[in-house]
Amino acid sequence: EAQVTQNPRYLITVTGKKLTVTCSQNMNHEYMSWYRQDPGLGLRQIYYSMNVEVTDKGDVPEGYKVSRKEKRNFPLILESPSPNQTSLYFCASSSERETENEQFFGPGTRLTVL
Amino acid sequence: DQQVKQNSPSLSVQEGRISILNCDYTNSMFDYFLWYKKYPAEGPTFLISISSIKDKNEDGRFTVFLNKSAKHLSLHIVPSQPGDSAVYFCAASDDSNYQLIWGAGTKLIIKP
Repeated sequence: EAQVTQNPRYLITVTGKKLTVTCSQNMNHEYMSWYRQDPGLGLRQIYYSMNVEVTDKGDVPEGYKVSRKEKRNFPLILESPSPNQTSLYFCASSSERETENEQFFGPGTRLTVL
Repeated sequence: DQQVKQNSPSLSVQEGRISILNCDYTNSMFDYFLWYKKYPAEGPTFLISISSIKDKNEDGRFTVFLNKSAKHLSLHIVPSQPGDSAVYFCAASDDSNYQLIWGAGTKLIIKP
């Protein structure tokens, strides 16, 4: 089954404790993105990647890091989480330019930073 | 300032009637628009899209209309079904970058 998986689905952590949210897709997609969803703001792009070893900042990259060492994986790293990073996070992938092609989203990771 | 606005946080429609979800944008450079649907505890799923060279695109019960002069698009669902109850996001992009700009979403509730 074609899918995007994220782990963990739920995470409660404390300020400053480094964490990684994993994302994996099995569709051989070149493009992958991370979004955060906050009430009243829709989805905002954090980082995106056009292919292996190619990443770029989205609208709200501060406080986040990503890596793309393999085509299928695109982990999101929070080196020192803060309460303002409490949010619902989605990973997405698409076969070509994301803006003109359907993106496939993971189920989301709800992160709470205390 | 939000470039894509969905001014109705929620909308309630009787089953079998037409649902109309609206989206306004401010950036005249946007040339591609998409609608995504999201159920609770799931990620968004693609629904329908439209290029700026068109003013209408239809897919089964779903039709998207684009009015470029008014910078407005709408999604029509006819007839509305209980399974259409979800949050609908409008998103837009321009040709110069790889980013989608998303609206805040409209929660559609289909009443029996």
